[in-house]
Amino acid sequence: DTGVSQDPRHKITKRGQNVTFRCDPISEHNRLYWYRQTLGQGPEFLTYFQNEAQLEKSRLLSDRFSAERPKGSFSTLEIQRTEQGDSAMYLCASSLVGEGYSEQFFGPGTRLTVL
Amino acid sequence: AQKVTQAQTEISVVEKEDVTLDCVYETRDTTYYLFWYKQPPSGELVFLIRRNSFDEQNEISGRYSWNFQKSTSSFNFTITASQVVDSAVYFCALSVNRDDKIIFGKGTRLHILP
Repeated sequence: DTGVSQDPRHKITKRGQNVTFRCDPISEHNRLYWYRQTLGQGPEFLTYFQNEAQLEKSRLLSDRFSAERPKGSFSTLEIQRTEQGDSAMYLCASSLVGEGYSEQFFGPGTRLTVL
Repeated sequence: AQKVTQAQTEISVVEKEDVTLDCVYETRDTTYYLFWYKQPPSGELVFLIRRNSFDEQNEISGRYSWNFQKSTSSFNFTITASQVVDSAVYFCALSVNRDDKIIFGKGTRLHILP
């Protein structure tokens, strides 16, 4: 399968624990986005990478959140000292920036539940 | 700032009825892109359509049609002869640069009753 994959698909953790999610974009896609979707809301942009460079971060991304894309391929999103308000679906998308519109392809998401 | 408003939080219709989902957007940019996505109960986002700001032609794809009107900043979505499988949350969205983040509305939950 050549789509965007995310791991794990579900994560349950206790408040105060650290969690890390992984996103594998479509091969050779140079741009990678993270979004967060809370219950009853649309996805909200968190951050994006162009290759390994993190180019934009939303104000939603508090200092407990950190994202990396060390080799310009897969990306990780870590949340430290999780809070109940972090419970959400975390979506990853990738695109190939070039001529014309760069379609974003979304992964299946990681659903985080913080108890 | 950019914003997408979907005033209808939830809609229920009986199967085979037509239904229109409303979307109003705000942006000062003259070049922008509008989208509709479907999110079934399984949770994945399914891309339905993308339009750019220079193309106001309405589009029809099977039972789906989209009405883009710049004069009212609206991009409405109509499903004709609805089916139970159309039950999902539908998101309207906006991007102001071709490579930029997508701004989503809050979604409309559509129930198609058998």
